[in-house]
Amino acid sequence: EAQVTQNPRYLITVTGKKLTVTCSQNMNHEYMSWYRQDPGLGLRQIYYSMNVEVTDKGDVPEGYKVSRKEKRNFPLILESPSPNQTSLYFCASSLSKGNGYTFGSGTRLTVV
Amino acid sequence: QKEVEQNSGPLSVPEGAIASLNCTYSDRGSQSFFWYRQYSGKSPELIMSIYSNGDKEDGRFTAQLNKASQYVSLLIRDSQPSDSATYLCAVWESNTGKLIFGQGTTLQVKP
Repeated sequence: EAQVTQNPRYLITVTGKKLTVTCSQNMNHEYMSWYRQDPGLGLRQIYYSMNVEVTDKGDVPEGYKVSRKEKRNFPLILESPSPNQTSLYFCASSLSKGNGYTFGSGTRLTVV
Repeated sequence: QKEVEQNSGPLSVPEGAIASLNCTYSDRGSQSFFWYRQYSGKSPELIMSIYSNGDKEDGRFTAQLNKASQYVSLLIRDSQPSDSATYLCAVWESNTGKLIFGQGTTLQVKP
């Protein structure tokens, strides 16, 4: 089944403890992206990747890191999480620029 | 920062009516436009894409694009209670790899 898989679905962590949210797609898509969704602020793009080893900042990249060492994987790293990073995170992938993104099921992150 | 604007709603329509959702965008060079549906607590689901001026129909859904007016709309015919959701408009920025979303319009279809 063609899908975007992100893990974990739920995560509660403490301020400053490094964490990684994994994302994998099995559709051989070129583009991958991370979004966060907050009430009243909508979906905001954190980082995106156009292909292996090619990444760029979205609209809210501060406090996040990404890497794209393989085409299928695009992990999101929070090196020192803070409470303002409490949010619902979505990974997404697209065949190419100009195609719609397919979204993963989401990761609800709480930083206390 | 390019923008995508939607009325947050809620838009309330009776069952069987036509729901009309609207979106404007600021990037005049954009070429790709999308509508997503998101149920509460779920991930966004792509329901329509449109690239050329005019109408594109898929079942009960019709997307309309007017690049001169920088306007995209979604019509849902014969609305059903199961259509109650938040509808997100999204636009690819012309000179970056960003897909920018509007804040979404909440649709309520009342039986």
